[in-house]
Amino acid sequence: QITLKESGPTLVKPTQTLTLTCTFSGFSLSTSGVGVGWIRQPPGKALEWLALIYWDDDKHYSSSLKSRLTITKDTSKNQVVLTMTNMDPVDTATYYCARRRAAAAGGAFDIWGQGTMVTVSS
Amino acid sequence: DIQMTQSPSTLSASVGDRVTITCRASQTISSWLAWYQQKPGKAPKLLIYKASSLESGVPSRFSGSGSGTEFTLTISSLQPDDFATYYCQQYNSYWTFGQGTKVEIK
Repeated sequence: QITLKESGPTLVKPTQTLTLTCTFSGFSLSTSGVGVGWIRQPPGKALEWLALIYWDDDKHYSSSLKSRLTITKDTSKNQVVLTMTNMDPVDTATYYCARRRAAAAGGAFDIWGQGTMVTVSS
Repeated sequence: DIQMTQSPSTLSASVGDRVTITCRASQTISSWLAWYQQKPGKAPKLLIYKASSLESGVPSRFSGSGSGTEFTLTISSLQPDDFATYYCQQYNSYWTFGQGTKVEIK
């Protein structure tokens, strides 16, 4: 069974740095073509892709948030970490991590974590 | 960046109706398109990948079609469990979601 779970603070202050961890099981981030991505959803709004890291450590970021994001992986711990600097109230959202399936198997985000709600407020 | 535009934003329908949602890409994405279903308070669920491939375990009343810049998601006979919000997503060049289509009870 493949699972992913997000963890991190529920409340951060403006200008602080957010660090979120995605802990997964049931697959390996060493498998060719596999990736783990982060997606967020402000309350009542649409999904927004943030970042993705591949099995070979190739990294991609949303162009609008690139300067604020860093994604890393620890394959031995089955974890992917996202940091977002200079948090603002508009960053209040539910943050999801999801597995990106290899392109040969379709390439979409097939398994998602339950999400973690992050509120930015002083 | 590739933009994805869904229509309609809201759709009112009855159980048993045939429902179609459209997604347009701002540039060609071949068949690198997925559809997701999301219910309130839950994570999105993958329904369709590569524009027309049905994800394992998803009922056959869901189908996808299209290529290039125009795509559709069709629910052949709407069931009570299908009232939800649906998102398209391109993954030809990075990843972009549409703004969502809420399917509500008429």
